[in-house]
Amino acid sequence: DTGVSQNPRHKITKRGQNVTFRCDPISEHNRLYWYRQTLGQGPEFLTYFQNEAQLEKSRLLSDRFSAERPKGSFSTLEIQRTEQGDSAMYLCASSFPGELYEQYFGPGTRLTVT
Amino acid sequence: QKEVEQDPGPLSVPEGAIVSLNCTYSNSAFQYFMWYRQYSRKGPELLMYTYSSGNKEDGRFTAQVDKSSKYISLFIRDSQPSDSATYLCATLNRDDKIIFGKGTRLHILP
Repeated sequence: DTGVSQNPRHKITKRGQNVTFRCDPISEHNRLYWYRQTLGQGPEFLTYFQNEAQLEKSRLLSDRFSAERPKGSFSTLEIQRTEQGDSAMYLCASSFPGELYEQYFGPGTRLTVT
Repeated sequence: QKEVEQDPGPLSVPEGAIVSLNCTYSNSAFQYFMWYRQYSRKGPELLMYTYSSGNKEDGRFTAQVDKSSKYISLFIRDSQPSDSATYLCATLNRDDKIIFGKGTRLHILP
């Protein structure tokens, strides 16, 4: 399978717990993006990497959120001390750096904070 | 004003009809325009992108950009029940970020 994969697909956690999500991009793509999508809204940009370098973070990304891409391949997104407002679909996408408009998305991780 | 505006629907049309989905955008400097399809509880899937004005066709799908009115359209011919999904329009803004509309929910009635 050459698409973007994400794990887990679903995560239910209690408020205050930490969660970590993983994204494996398309292998030839060196740009990797994280988005958040809530019901009835389009995806909103959170952060992106080019290879292992995190180049930009959105104002939406509070200091409870951290993302890494240690070897320029897979990426993890961690949320510390989860809040109910963190409940959303977390989407990962990847692209070539010269084709920013052509991003390919994974299936997403649906987070429910109870 | 939001950078991309899209009517959330839902839009219901009978099978076989031509579907027209529309968005407006705010900044005349935007050059790349995309349409994504998203099935329930799945990630968005890139359908097609266009650069600047004009039309682009791919099978039953046609994307159209009118830069004079800042209007983006997606037409689906011979619509099928499998086309039932949420359609997201998007553009690449000045910071090279993809900005999405809210999505339009489309139902094709058999």
